[in-house]
Amino acid sequence: QKEVEQNSGPLSVPEGAIASLNCTYSDRVSQSFFWYRQYSGKSPELIMSIYSNGDKEDGRFTAQLNKASQYVSLLIRDSQPSDSATYLCAVNWGGKLIFGQGTELSVKP
Amino acid sequence: DAGVIQSPRHEVTEMGQEVTLRCKPISGHNSLFWYRQTMMRGLELLIYFNNNVPIDDSGMPEDRFSAKMPNASFSTLKIQPSEPRDSAVYFCASILGGPNNEQFFGPGTRLTVL
Repeated sequence: QKEVEQNSGPLSVPEGAIASLNCTYSDRVSQSFFWYRQYSGKSPELIMSIYSNGDKEDGRFTAQLNKASQYVSLLIRDSQPSDSATYLCAVNWGGKLIFGQGTELSVKP
Repeated sequence: DAGVIQSPRHEVTEMGQEVTLRCKPISGHNSLFWYRQTMMRGLELLIYFNNNVPIDDSGMPEDRFSAKMPNASFSTLKIQPSEPRDSAVYFCASILGGPNNEQFFGPGTRLTVL
């Protein structure tokens, strides 16, 4: 059973702080990894994709991948109340995405 | 582009009734995915199509569920007969090119089976 695990939270951070979201996966064969953001009552939308070990930065978002440890994370710098949402980690296995349960992030003004 | 279109947006039905959910992918996208999302189980892949051909339906929970994609611009997910445990939000998503590309999700259909 291939699995993607996330801490369900809620994770609460003050405005302006760094939010750190973590994800582990069970299969070493995985090659591509994604972070989606889902606002309450809305559909998921892609924030970041990462394929190689190391860091990938896009604005206030940084994705980190460590394939040896089967670990992928998302850092959000200068968190804003508008970042409050559920963040879904997804792993591509054989052409299909397997999603984690999601981590609920709350950014307090 | 209008994005992925799903209908209806909300569906309330009684146990035992047939339910049909519809999806129009983004024009030109070659793969289409059906997901179900619940609080308990999260976002689960039910089935996906590549160039209108079903590739993997291992996520379809029971024979009561069926999906078709008669052409590149339309897909249906049917539940017959429906049961209360089928209540969930059903998302359709489409993608252009390979699986490393972004999946674009539709707005979802919220299904309630009484």
